[in-house]
Amino acid sequence: DTAVSQTPKYLVTQMGNDKSIKCEQNLGHDTMYWYKQDSKKFLKIMFSYNNKELIINETVPNRFSPKSPDKAHLNLHINSLELGDSAVYFCASSQTVAGGHTQYFGPGTRLTVL
Amino acid sequence: GNSVTQMEGPVTLSEEAFLTINCTYTATGYPSLFWYVQYPGEGLQLLLKATKADDKGSNKGFEATYRKETTSFHLEKGSVQVSDSAVYFCALSDPNYGGATNKLIFGTGTLLAVQP
Repeated sequence: DTAVSQTPKYLVTQMGNDKSIKCEQNLGHDTMYWYKQDSKKFLKIMFSYNNKELIINETVPNRFSPKSPDKAHLNLHINSLELGDSAVYFCASSQTVAGGHTQYFGPGTRLTVL
Repeated sequence: GNSVTQMEGPVTLSEEAFLTINCTYTATGYPSLFWYVQYPGEGLQLLLKATKADDKGSNKGFEATYRKETTSFHLEKGSVQVSDSAVYFCALSDPNYGGATNKLIFGTGTLLAVQP
């Protein structure tokens, strides 16, 4: 009964490669997000999709391309990986309601670029 | 722009000690406020939240009160346990009603280490 799941949990790859991270939520939410957590634990939003439409794109390099095939899935594809992309990537989801949207997070994907 | 400031860690306490982790915010409009907890090697879990001024969020013995006059949302617990050792994040959300531009802005996180 996992609410927000991500695969893979760990990803180790070489510089220059292309990789994808998948996210799925079974909460029936209409909005999904990607966040990046750096080595100092700082969390910053990257993207947000509402009903498969891109809503937030926080000046992320265009090597990062999110794709939402349906409301329950949001994948993140990264081209030409760089050392600085090493981080933990968290997916989250929420339901749009007045008064505040609570976001629920996945377990994270630890990406290491060598 | 909107921002969240948390006290620097690490915070080291003995079991059963009183905990306060300070959090202040800067925001336009009326944000919702959250505390998330990240246990070692895990993702973020919502600990508690408050959506309007003077609301008190509480969960698992933790509580925080939304203080608009001091723009604060300090986290407190009367008696911490070793199992509370984790990183605690304060966050704000400024939802755009009628849209979905709801992004969480996080503080830098505070590491809490509780010793037996």
